Amino acid sequence: DSGVTQTPKHLITATGQRVTLRCSPRSGDLSVYWYQQSLDQGLQFLIQYYNGEERAKGNILERFSAQQFPDLHSELNLSSLELGDSALYFCASSVGQWDEAFFGQGTRLTVV
Amino acid sequence: GEDVEQSLFLSVREGDSSVINCTYTDSSSTYLYWYKQEPGAGLQLLTYIFSNMDMKQDQRLTVLLNKKDKHLSLRIADTQTGDSAIYFCAERGSQGNLIFGKGTKLSVKP
Repeated sequence: DSGVTQTPKHLITATGQRVTLRCSPRSGDLSVYWYQQSLDQGLQFLIQYYNGEERAKGNILERFSAQQFPDLHSELNLSSLELGDSALYFCASSVGQWDEAFFGQGTRLTVV
Repeated sequence: GEDVEQSLFLSVREGDSSVINCTYTDSSSTYLYWYKQEPGAGLQLLTYIFSNMDMKQDQRLTVLLNKKDKHLSLRIADTQTGDSAIYFCAERGSQGNLIFGKGTKLSVKP
């Protein structure tokens, strides 16, 4: 157990819908990262937050957004969902921005 | 740009050593990482190496780093069936995020 908690574990939704994925980092970690894992694209970095502020942005679509709250948990919002958004979404956390990152178990999103 | 390359598959017999190779592009990467992903699970941090080191050993795992060639390898001694998984190499990108290879699927035959 890495100490990073992601909910829900599985999510099935229809195209056009909006979902929210939640991540609780390890105790004491200030940095949260979101990654998308798909068969064709591999592990793609989406976005990183450090102590509530956005620190780095990767290949995140405009339909996706995220935030980190004062209690350091983070949410990833995916809207206007398309079939191609079906993937595993991972959250990771680390103490600082450059420390080793520990991953949650992921949320498997299926868009039908 | 920043990129990490790995071979996609490796098959070994139980008890043999496995060597998983990786090349990366960013010579300024300070840390390089190996993660393991078992079916249906998240990524587990196995080990990492600082860029000023050539080798790091941790029980059955040995990481070798050739900074000149930007080549990283992970050796698993006495490979067991429980080692069957996908192994990801990762480097730190310029923004601090981890950049992953596509993963090497290790199959261990009894």
